[in-house]
Amino acid sequence: GAGVSQSPSNKVTEKGKDVELRCDPISGHTALYWYRQSLGQGLEFLIYFQGNSAPDKSGLPSDRFSAERTGGSVSTLTIQRTQQEDSAVYLCASSLTGLGDTQYFGPGTRLTVL
Amino acid sequence: DQQVKQNSPSLSVQEGRISILNCDYTNSMFDYFLWYKKYPAEGPTFLISISSIKDKNEDGRFTVFLNKSAKHLSLHIVPSQPGDSAVYFCAASENTGKLIFGQGTTLQVKP
Repeated sequence: GAGVSQSPSNKVTEKGKDVELRCDPISGHTALYWYRQSLGQGLEFLIYFQGNSAPDKSGLPSDRFSAERTGGSVSTLTIQRTQQEDSAVYLCASSLTGLGDTQYFGPGTRLTVL
Repeated sequence: DQQVKQNSPSLSVQEGRISILNCDYTNSMFDYFLWYKKYPAEGPTFLISISSIKDKNEDGRFTVFLNKSAKHLSLHIVPSQPGDSAVYFCAASENTGKLIFGQGTTLQVKP
């Protein structure tokens, strides 16, 4: 079956613009995660959706970042008023049930803020 | 505050020899540890994991060792192959969904 897909694969934007990044998880996976990897850094947790529970937003770096997951499937990460420090690879992952499950990652969206 | 640390940014080994990648953590509440492998322009792929109730888990050429008293885990690859060349990330979880990742170690296996 298909893996996790993300779009776009690359996004270049100007400082101050809003961007939306999309994630399609593996069909049937109830848990969905967003991470980002800045240059030379490890992956940084952003937000976690588990079924119908309230998402764990503890990793979002500022209120310019938000995410939603519609119908328990597709997720959109929105960054408002982008800053240069937002430049990173944004990675989405999904897992079957959440706790203790293997997370399967998408290829990521490379965001460049000029 | 880096809860998961991979202090070696890079490692180079000869094909056929053992590769040992190390990871240290500070949070004693972590109960699940994983290793992911990442090639350029791809997302990380799961390699092997270990629960905190174990001290060793083996899968083919890959073995993960956990030393809870030292808050240290390591990944052994034997024998190393050129296709193993990638960035390896150590990750830990505190019985929640989110993973805390180390900075990664770039492994180069020379033919």
